[in-house]
Amino acid sequence: KAGVTQTPRYLIKTRGQQVTLSCSPISGHRSVSWYQQTPGQGLQFLFEYFSETQRNKGNFPGRFSGRQFSNSRSEMNVSTLELGDSALYLCASSSGQGAGEGETQYFGPGTRLLVL
Amino acid sequence: AQTVTQSQPEMSVQEAETVTLSCTYDTSENNYYLFWYKQPPSRQMILVIRQEAYKQQNATENRFSVNFQKAAKSFSLKISDSQLGDTAMYFCAFPTYSGGGADGLTFGKGTHLIIQP
Repeated sequence: KAGVTQTPRYLIKTRGQQVTLSCSPISGHRSVSWYQQTPGQGLQFLFEYFSETQRNKGNFPGRFSGRQFSNSRSEMNVSTLELGDSALYLCASSSGQGAGEGETQYFGPGTRLLVL
Repeated sequence: AQTVTQSQPEMSVQEAETVTLSCTYDTSENNYYLFWYKQPPSRQMILVIRQEAYKQQNATENRFSVNFQKAAKSFSLKISDSQLGDTAMYFCAFPTYSGGGADGLTFGKGTHLIIQP
């Protein structure tokens, strides 16, 4: 099976702009989770989508949003970019039972976003 | 709030040695799962090993094993016969339980493990 793919891999934006990142999960997986990784805060959970519905959400401002399509592909959007949004954004796919049930999450290679 | 603490920011060992990475966590849950993930320089996170809290037997996966002490809320990772390819960041992770499910994973700050030739 093909792994989790994320596009684009690298992105440079300026403050105030918005950005959309894409994630294609492993075939058959219905859950997609998004994480932000920064040197200061480490890895932080953004949100999880399952069957086109947001199932869980982390503690991030409303500028961070996402959606999931019927083919389980997911996009996340960040509006009004700030310098602090510079990070590696990781997407993880799983079959849908949830991390709480011990389910393995399969991570993509990430999208590195630089905000200038 | 659930927390995951990794107290060793960086460790360095010689190839073929055994190394143990420590992790402690805090939770009020009784049954839960714990994970170790590895992030090599390529940045791709990979599951190393998983432990279910109600299972008393420590999980093992080839050269990787855990020492799970539920009462002490400790979950250390032992890597035997370390190899150069084990060089990576290692993250301890715990589901963020809330209500009837889990809000993703809470990760520790990570331990940068360097295997020297």
